[in-house]
Amino acid sequence: DIVMTQSPDSLAVSLGERATINCKSSQSILNSSNNKNYLTWYQQKPGQPPKLLIYWASTRESGVPDRFSGSGSGTDFSLTISSLQAEDVAVYYCQQNHNLPYTFGQGTKLEIK
Amino acid sequence: QVQLQESGPGLVKPSQTLSLTCTVSGGSINSGGSYWNWIRQHPGRGLEWIGYVYYSNTHFSPSLKSRATISVDTSKNQFSLNLNSVTAADTAVYYCARDTGASGIGSFDFWGQGTLVTVSS
Repeated sequence: DIVMTQSPDSLAVSLGERATINCKSSQSILNSSNNKNYLTWYQQKPGQPPKLLIYWASTRESGVPDRFSGSGSGTDFSLTISSLQAEDVAVYYCQQNHNLPYTFGQGTKLEIK
Repeated sequence: QVQLQESGPGLVKPSQTLSLTCTVSGGSINSGGSYWNWIRQHPGRGLEWIGYVYYSNTHFSPSLKSRATISVDTSKNQFSLNLNSVTAADTAVYYCARDTGASGIGSFDFWGQGTLVTVSS
């Protein structure tokens, strides 16, 4: 199985500041045939299911604010929130969909400082 | 807009079978080539993919493969998870989720609200 490791486990950022969450896969999740990284980011708020934010490492899902961006390739990826809003408080998960079984990172809890 | 809703017992005894159903509304379970998945989340912890059904084909996480089955009832627009020989370690919130493939196969773009299943005598 591909192991996904996120850092940090928790993060406190001031409103309006930048927040960056990192995700590392135990092997490359780049598909060389289409040059796409099979890395997905989700946001989960308390009592809610996860919500898909970004797929193929950097493509925003429809309706996701443009303050959310994803980057990286191969084994190292990041999710950045350019200007933290109060509604962004949540747990964020990365997930690889390059190989079965699909696997998730352990989650990063984002709070307001 | 497709909606998914999980249903089933909230309490299961150890060694028995956990059975959950996901009802799909707002679209046919047979249309569009979607993968229908089960994912669980242990209390206060991360997410674990259980498996999917794609038309009549299924695939499971190796850690659960020997105990899990997923089936589809197209007449009821539902798909179901059975997990046998449960233990306390199977206590979790169980989600059904759709993968349309639009975000890359294996990304889950629609989720149910989840249902908590507790394994206890």
